Amino acid sequence: KAGVTQTPRYLIKTRGQQVTLSCSPISGHRSVSWYQQTPGQGLQFLFEYFSETQRNKGNFPGRFSGRQFSNSRSEMNVSTLELGDSALYLCASSYGTSRDTEQFFGPGTRLTVL
Amino acid sequence: AQKITQTQPGMFVQEKEAVTLDCTYDTSDQSYGLFWYKQPSSGEMIFLIYQGSYDEQNATEGRYSLNFQKARKSANLVISASQLGDSAMYFCAMRDGGSNYKLTFGKGTLLTVNP
Repeated sequence: KAGVTQTPRYLIKTRGQQVTLSCSPISGHRSVSWYQQTPGQGLQFLFEYFSETQRNKGNFPGRFSGRQFSNSRSEMNVSTLELGDSALYLCASSYGTSRDTEQFFGPGTRLTVL
Repeated sequence: AQKITQTQPGMFVQEKEAVTLDCTYDTSDQSYGLFWYKQPSSGEMIFLIYQGSYDEQNATEGRYSLNFQKARKSANLVISASQLGDSAMYFCAMRDGGSNYKLTFGKGTLLTVNP
């Protein structure tokens, strides 16, 4: 079974631009979560989608948005990029969302904002 | 409030020795799950082991075991017979109902295995 895939793997943008990151979950998984990882803040939860509905949202400004398609693939969008948005963005998928459900992570997209 | 605390920013261990990575957590829920992930320099998070709050026995997965002390709210990861490939960041994480079951991570511990 193929793992979680994320595209692109690396991205360089300039301040003020917008960016879209893509995540394809493991086949059969309906939950997709996004995390931002920076050296200073560590791993921070962005949002979670389950069957095309946003179930959970972290404390990020409205510039960060996401969506999930009927095939469970997900995209996240960051508008008006700031230098502080430079980070590793990780996507994780799981079959369900209960306390014992393991999340499988993709390789991440490393975003650099210049 | 921080829910997962990993007090060891970095740890060193000799190859073939055992090492314990500390993790304490805070939750008011009775039902929760604890996870450990490994993140090599490549960036991908690799699931290692899971412990449920109602599990009476400590979880084990190969060379990984979890020392779960519920009353102390600690879930330490024990890696036996360390290998050079174990050098990585290790994250403790929790899912509970209070956070609507999103995964909350600690700051991580950087483990270096010396030959």
